[in-house]
Amino acid sequence: AQTVTQSQPEMSVQEAETVTLSCTYDTSESDYYLFWYKQPPSRQMILVIRQEAYKQQNATENRFSVNFQKAAKSFSLKISDSQLGDAAMYFCAYRSPNTGNQFYFGTGTSLTVIP
Amino acid sequence: KAGVTQTPRYLIKTRGQQVTLSCSPISGHRSVSWYQQTPGQGLQFLFEYFSETQRNKGNFPGRFSGRQFSNSRSEMNVSTLELGDSALYLCASSLNGGVSNEQFFGPGTRLTVL
Repeated sequence: AQTVTQSQPEMSVQEAETVTLSCTYDTSESDYYLFWYKQPPSRQMILVIRQEAYKQQNATENRFSVNFQKAAKSFSLKISDSQLGDAAMYFCAYRSPNTGNQFYFGTGTSLTVIP
Repeated sequence: KAGVTQTPRYLIKTRGQQVTLSCSPISGHRSVSWYQQTPGQGLQFLFEYFSETQRNKGNFPGRFSGRQFSNSRSEMNVSTLELGDSALYLCASSLNGGVSNEQFFGPGTRLTVL
């Protein structure tokens, strides 16, 4: 089974600063997608960013960017200019058409933004 | 466009009872997936329905079942509830469930089993 590991249960960042959340995964597939989801206290999962494995260019969405290291099976999320609204639980996730398209989620990183 | 809706939002049951949760996908979406979220096990895949057929199933006992209707609305049922079934149940919808389709999550149903 695919495994996704987030080794940082909790992280904190000063408002306006930059923080990086780590994620590693294990797979033998070559065709897959990686995602970062945000779950605020409202519990609604919100897609932050996604990366297709066949694309070498790192995905970017405004203040959010990833560092995708395919050989190392690493997929970190960088949040620049952190805002109070970024405080949430962040989940790294993996999907592949060869494993039923279901999400495999990491255990999450709780991000606190300090004013 | 309305988002994914789940009803009820909160539910309290006792051991041995059964429960039915409902998920209405975004209009036009035909795939609905269900996930269980607990502090101990994290987010785990339950099953996916597409065009009224179960297309994929996670590693959960047979007490967990689901179905999908012709309008793509989905229900999941848990019979003979156990304390360990207390969790947030999330559903997600997408156009056809393909890995390139974005999945949109609902707000979840918080089930408490006493």
